[in-house]
Amino acid sequence: DSGVTQTPKHLITATGQRVTLRCSPRSGDLSVYWYQQSLDQGLQFLIQYYNGEERAKGNILERFSAQQFPDLHSELNLSSLELGDSALYFCASSVGGGQRNTEAFFGQGTRLTVV
Amino acid sequence: DAKTTQPNSMESNEEEPVHLPCNHSTISGTDYIHWYRQLPSQGPEYVIHGLTSNVNNRMASLAIAEDRKSSTLILHRATLRDAAVYYCILLNSGYALNFGKGTSLLVTP
Repeated sequence: DSGVTQTPKHLITATGQRVTLRCSPRSGDLSVYWYQQSLDQGLQFLIQYYNGEERAKGNILERFSAQQFPDLHSELNLSSLELGDSALYFCASSVGGGQRNTEAFFGQGTRLTVV
Repeated sequence: DAKTTQPNSMESNEEEPVHLPCNHSTISGTDYIHWYRQLPSQGPEYVIHGLTSNVNNRMASLAIAEDRKSSTLILHRATLRDAAVYYCILLNSGYALNFGKGTSLLVTP
């Protein structure tokens, strides 16, 4: 158990809909990262928040947004969903503001299926 | 961040050592070398990381070449549970891990 909790574990929704994925980081970790894993693209970094502020952005679509709340949990919002958004979404956390000299802890992921 | 090259797949027998290579010829002096692995149907899991010196922890050892252009992750006694995709990642100014395709390790009894 990494200490990172993601909910829900599975989500099935229709095209055009909006969903929210939730992540609770390990106790004491200030950074939260979101990743998307699809069969054809592999694991891709989407966005990072550090202590409530956006720190870095990766390949995140404009239809996607995220935030980190004062209690440090984070939510990833996906809207106007398309079939191609079907993927595993992972959340990771780390103590500091970057992953350079520290380890990151990943959750078990949310499997999103868009039908 | 600089790029890494890993074999697509490797195979090992259970209880034997495994050496997983990674080439990173364009590594910069301040790039950290990270290794993560992903077991089937699980999130990635940290294995080890280092800068210049070899590193050991309870999971594995990381051997870094003197010129730092390559590194090797060593699993001392492979178990069936070690079957996973292993990612070698360089991290410097970036804040997040950039996963490539990794090496798929098959462990046979």
